[in-house]
Amino acid sequence: GAGVSQSPSNKVTEKGKDVELRCDPISGHTALYWYRQSLGQGLEFLIYFQGNSAPDKSGLPSDRFSAERTGGSVSTLTIQRTQQEDSAVYLCASSLVWREETQYFGPGTRLLVL
Amino acid sequence: GNSVTQMEGPVTLSEEAFLTINCTYTATGYPSLFWYVQYPGEGLQLLLKATKADDKGSNKGFEATYRKETTSFHLEKGSVQVSDSAVYFCALGDYSGAGSYQLTFGKGTKLSVIP
Repeated sequence: GAGVSQSPSNKVTEKGKDVELRCDPISGHTALYWYRQSLGQGLEFLIYFQGNSAPDKSGLPSDRFSAERTGGSVSTLTIQRTQQEDSAVYLCASSLVWREETQYFGPGTRLLVL
Repeated sequence: GNSVTQMEGPVTLSEEAFLTINCTYTATGYPSLFWYVQYPGEGLQLLLKATKADDKGSNKGFEATYRKETTSFHLEKGSVQVSDSAVYFCALGDYSGAGSYQLTFGKGTKLSVIP
């Protein structure tokens, strides 16, 4: 596609529910990144995919967070048993190859946990 | 670890004023430096970048110079416009131990330009 797309754009959920956030990178981009933008923390790195594998999961905040990527394209970030502190904007970015420095960002998913 | 510190906002300027947003960094390696911009209701966009010391990145009238001696990458524009109102993020890019290319961001500076 023309750019990175994310869905849903907004998600409101109740504490304790699971949510799935989707990212569709730019066609042909092999590297994919998830970031979280929250009021108190700024922008923080969560996880990175090179193809379908995630060599670095150190940024995931807890074991309630997981991510997968299939077919070297779409990625899903799943948050289980959501907590209020998970409320944030979740940003996805992609780059052409894994050593490419310029990352292209999607519009984000705004998650609100009540 | 790596970190980025940028001046806190919000910053309010009149149209045609001079803009400086300060950014300093701490890094163990030889990072690349970036300025990203987030316009209201839109996603992050790369504004400019510099990949080594003394490089100057420039775009849309904005510029920033990679200063290794002062570990700084200050953003400047000679004459701001209302359309420059946005949140500006300074970022550092470097490779992690696992080989991924990570961006470390500052907390962002909100700029409002009034006519």
